[in-house]
Amino acid sequence: GQQLNQSPQSMFIQEGEDVSMNCTSSSIFNTWLWYKQDPGEGPVLLIALYKAGELTSNGRLTAQFGITRKDSFLNISASIPSDVGIYFCAGGYGNKLVFGAGTILRVKS
Amino acid sequence: DTEVTQTPKHLVMGMTNKKSLKCEQHMGHRAMYWYKQKAKKPPELMFVYSYEKLSINESVPSRFSPECPNSSLLNLHLHALQPEDSALYLCASSQDWTGDGAFFGQGTRLTVV
Repeated sequence: GQQLNQSPQSMFIQEGEDVSMNCTSSSIFNTWLWYKQDPGEGPVLLIALYKAGELTSNGRLTAQFGITRKDSFLNISASIPSDVGIYFCAGGYGNKLVFGAGTILRVKS
Repeated sequence: DTEVTQTPKHLVMGMTNKKSLKCEQHMGHRAMYWYKQKAKKPPELMFVYSYEKLSINESVPSRFSPECPNSSLLNLHLHALQPEDSALYLCASSQDWTGDGAFFGQGTRLTVV
């Protein structure tokens, strides 16, 4: 089945630093989504990507959909304490979403 | 309004109980989903409803029974669950069946005792 490889598994960074995480797959996806999940809450949609090569920003977040439709990265600039949480990438095909394993982000203030 | 509302937020049930989880959205989305999530793991798809019809059942045990009474509501009926079914159950909706930009509810934290 479709699988996403998300890295890094976890990150521990200083407040103010930029963060980068990515997802790759051997499969092609129609859409690519990035979610953030806080403990005990549902995932919150951060950015949705629909076109190969698309680069989209949402405040301090920037994400790109790879040209081959098999990968995506998410950048967070100038991290702040409330950025902590688990970030999931998700690839969409048909009427399914496949999730990566998640990147746990911890920020030192 | 980009909200998916799930009730209850927490549920503790015995293995012989029957309970239901509820989900509601008013975004006019025509696809709704149930996911199960274990701690520190990604959500796993259980069911997909598209235009109020069940389109995907990811080989979920029959002790989980979904229902879509109308385009805004999605239920998950639970009966004879096992302790390993304890998890966060998430409902999501999206504009159509492609799953694009799916919005998630807060989830129901289910504990089976």
